[in-house]
Amino acid sequence: DIQMTQSPSSLSASVGDRVTITCRASQSISGYLNWYQQKPGKAPKFLIYAASSLQSGVPSRFSGSGSGTDFTLTISSLQPEDFATYYCQQSYTTPYSFGQGTKLEIK
Amino acid sequence: QVQLQESGPGLVKPSETLSLTCTVSGGSINNYYWSWIRQPPGKGLEWIGYIYNSGRTNYNPSLKSRVTISVDTSKNQFSLKLSSVSAADTAVYYCARVEAVAGTLDPWGQGTLVTVSS
Repeated sequence: DIQMTQSPSSLSASVGDRVTITCRASQSISGYLNWYQQKPGKAPKFLIYAASSLQSGVPSRFSGSGSGTDFTLTISSLQPEDFATYYCQQSYTTPYSFGQGTKLEIK
Repeated sequence: QVQLQESGPGLVKPSETLSLTCTVSGGSINNYYWSWIRQPPGKGLEWIGYIYNSGRTNYNPSLKSRVTISVDTSKNQFSLKLSSVSAADTAVYYCARVEAVAGTLDPWGQGTLVTVSS
């Protein structure tokens, strides 16, 4: 099985900050990396697919990059609604697997 | 747009079988893959498995011996059965549509909490 590791596990930042979350796969997954945002008590929301393609309706301040084993999610200028937990997910092979999550908190 | 809604008992006794149904509205269940994912309280996401409308399934090996996912195209529903449950199976269970090529999960149901307790 492919293990996904996110860093950091938690992050404190302020509105307007630029933040980057990293996701590392235990083996190459090419570009089969997706990102989700989850707010408390809610289902995850799909943000980015194929490492860098923004889902329709997702603000352009979100961006993704990477290939192989190392990927990043960047939020260019944090907005109040961005404080949430973010998960990466590999869809290169089954069983699909998720990172452990990165909780983005207000500083 | 397509919406998903999970339903089923919120409390299951240890050693019994957890049964949930996901109802798909606003679109057909045909020609898509459909998945179950779970999230223990305060923890991360675990993929359980998926099913195609033909009935083809793919399960997480960690749960494979206990999991059955089935589909009822006439009702636009798919279901999850997890046998021999224990407290470790207490989680919010989500259903979601799988985009076949990218393997993305979207949309998701709102989730349903299932507690395993006597």
